[in-house]
Amino acid sequence: AQSVTQPDIHITVSEGASLELRCNYSYGATPYLFWYVQSPGQGLQLLLKYFSGDTLVQGIKGFEAEFKRSQSSFNLRKPSVHWSDAAEYFCAPHQAGTALIFGKGTTLSVSS
Amino acid sequence: DSGVTQTPKHLITATGQRVTLRCSPRSGDLSVYWYQQSLDQGLQFLIQYYNGEERAKGNILERFSAQQFPDLHSELNLSSLELGDSALYFCASSVGGGGEQYFGPGTRLTVT
Repeated sequence: AQSVTQPDIHITVSEGASLELRCNYSYGATPYLFWYVQSPGQGLQLLLKYFSGDTLVQGIKGFEAEFKRSQSSFNLRKPSVHWSDAAEYFCAPHQAGTALIFGKGTTLSVSS
Repeated sequence: DSGVTQTPKHLITATGQRVTLRCSPRSGDLSVYWYQQSLDQGLQFLIQYYNGEERAKGNILERFSAQQFPDLHSELNLSSLELGDSALYFCASSVGGGGEQYFGPGTRLTVT
């Protein structure tokens, strides 16, 4: 069965420090891969997407993600976190013809 | 602003009642998706419509139904409401039948 795992429920990072949020998926074939961010009380905003090609993709707000086929992973990174990055982050694989499946999310807190 | 609009923002109603949530997709998008977000279940896909036709079904209860109209806006109808239906309901849209989805701000439903 198709599944996605975000192993970290909650992460706290100091402002200015680097960030990596993990995402692993289990699909028969490589799906499209997305990261979304949800600020409190808000809808979900698309951060970045991977369809094919270059395995390092750039997104908005200085985020990037690296697709690793051998590890079935699509980890989200940011070199220097800002207080405004505090939010919940969702990884979402998607295979054509099926529904988008969201991970349970990782809540990011930023300490000063 | 994703370009997807949802009304109302908040809805408070009693058990046993029926409500209708409305969604207008981004200009040019043919697909509309409905999701339910609750603390215990996370983000759950409910249903997808593409150009007026039902395309995919997820964990949608029989008490819930949806439709997409010729102008491509969509409505989600929730009936015989129970306390457990209290959640955030999101609508998303995409250009085609798959690919990245753009989310609306959500409707917060409270059933008392």
